[in-house]
Amino acid sequence: SQQGEEDPQALSIQEGENATMNCSYKTSINNLQWYRQNSGRGLVHLILIRSNEREKHSGRLRVTLDTSKKSSSLLITASRAADTASYFCATNTGTASKLTFGTGTRLQVTL
Amino acid sequence: SQTIHQWPATLVQPVGSPLSLECTVEGTSNPNLYWYRQAAGRGLQLLFYSVGIGQISSEVPQNLSASRPQDRQFILSSKKLLLSDSGFYLCAWSPQGGSPLHFGNGTRLTVT
Repeated sequence: SQQGEEDPQALSIQEGENATMNCSYKTSINNLQWYRQNSGRGLVHLILIRSNEREKHSGRLRVTLDTSKKSSSLLITASRAADTASYFCATNTGTASKLTFGTGTRLQVTL
Repeated sequence: SQTIHQWPATLVQPVGSPLSLECTVEGTSNPNLYWYRQAAGRGLQLLFYSVGIGQISSEVPQNLSASRPQDRQFILSSKKLLLSDSGFYLCAWSPQGGSPLHFGNGTRLTVT
């Protein structure tokens, strides 16, 4: 079953704009991770945020976590055409070895 | 540095035929290993994971099985494929539970 649900399912923006994707989950987590997938390829890890953290930055990426609302957001600033991909959140829960993925957001960045 | 190899990249198999997908990791020892399946345009479904040789946890009852005959080798198998087994299969590893996963490039399986 899916632990996370991303919103929106698809997002189309122009280059230079910011892209925001949201993730909601159902149970308490140890950490939450964001991944990127280019079409037909494996996933690439972007950023991990622990349950006791509220915000984290990595380059043009900003992730927030609200454990009271069981939600997270991924912000990509100043988007580029090369950011076009699907983005997934994944949660690590009580069974520490498992990582459960959401349904993903397809981001299209146009010139 | 660590690398993960997954093959084949694409596979077309008839219904009822067997399946063997192989995944190997280099440059690390005792990794956690994972098999995920992704249906077209969908999220990832965890099929199996392993925290050590011979230790396999199954997440979804199905037509598939997994084995870990060596520390850095993870094999996904089926004795008789079903049409519903079609999908994109991804192998991944992590140094420990909860750590970021490192994915292979996937195998696109089409069962006809």
